[in-house]
Amino acid sequence: GENVEQHPSTLSVQEGDSAVIKCTYSDSASNYFPWYKQELGKRPQLIIDIRSNVGEKKDQRIAVTLNKTAKHFSLHITETQPEDSAVYFCAAPTQTGANNLFFGTGTRLTVIP
Amino acid sequence: EAEVAQSPRYKITEKSQAVAFWCDPISGHATLYWYRQILGQGPELLVQFQDESVVDDSQLPKDRFSAERLKGVDSTLKIQPAELGDSAMYLCASSLGGNNSPLHFGNGTRLTVT
Repeated sequence: GENVEQHPSTLSVQEGDSAVIKCTYSDSASNYFPWYKQELGKRPQLIIDIRSNVGEKKDQRIAVTLNKTAKHFSLHITETQPEDSAVYFCAAPTQTGANNLFFGTGTRLTVIP
Repeated sequence: EAEVAQSPRYKITEKSQAVAFWCDPISGHATLYWYRQILGQGPELLVQFQDESVVDDSQLPKDRFSAERLKGVDSTLKIQPAELGDSAMYLCASSLGGNNSPLHFGNGTRLTVT
C-alpha cells in the first residue's frame, strides 16, 4: 500500500512571497497526485492534481511538479495572498486502480499581510 | 456547483451511546467514501462503496463501526458504542468512479464524545 510523507508541517510566508510544500510517496506504481486545501472548519477542496504522464501542471498562481524517479511531488504557490492561508494536503492512491486516497499529514500555511 | 450533503453538522454524544451520520453524494457519483479526520491530521479512509457494494473497509473498526449504502445513493455510518477516541470529523466524499477520478468532500460531521 501507499505511504505519503509531507513537509513542512507549518509554513509562514510574507504576502507576495512564494510557498513550496513537498511530499514523498512510496509506491512507484502510483499515478495520480492531488492537492487539497482545507480552510478552518471547512471541507477539503481539490485545488490541483497531476497524473504521472506529466512533470508539471500550472493553474494561475499554483503549480505542481512531479519527479517520478525520486517519488516526490511539490505544490508551488506564487504571489501568496492572505486568503491562501489554510491547511494543504497532498495525497496519492492507496493502491493502483483503487480510486481512494492516502493523505499526507498536512501543512498549515500562514500568509502574513 | 453540486455538493456532497452531510448531516448532522455537529454531534455531541456520551461514550457508550450510538451515533449515526448521513451522507448524500453528488448525483450520478457511483463511488462514495467515508473518511475520518482527527484534529491536526489528514483524512483517513474508513470505507469505500462502489454503488451499493463495499470496495474497501479494511480500516473500518468493525466491532463498533458499520456503514451501508443500501440503494447505491445515500449512505449511513454508525458507531455503537461510541468511545472517547472516536471524537473527530467524519467526512463523506464521492466521485464518478473509475481510475483517478477526483474526490469531492462534504462539509463533514464533527463528533465529540464525552
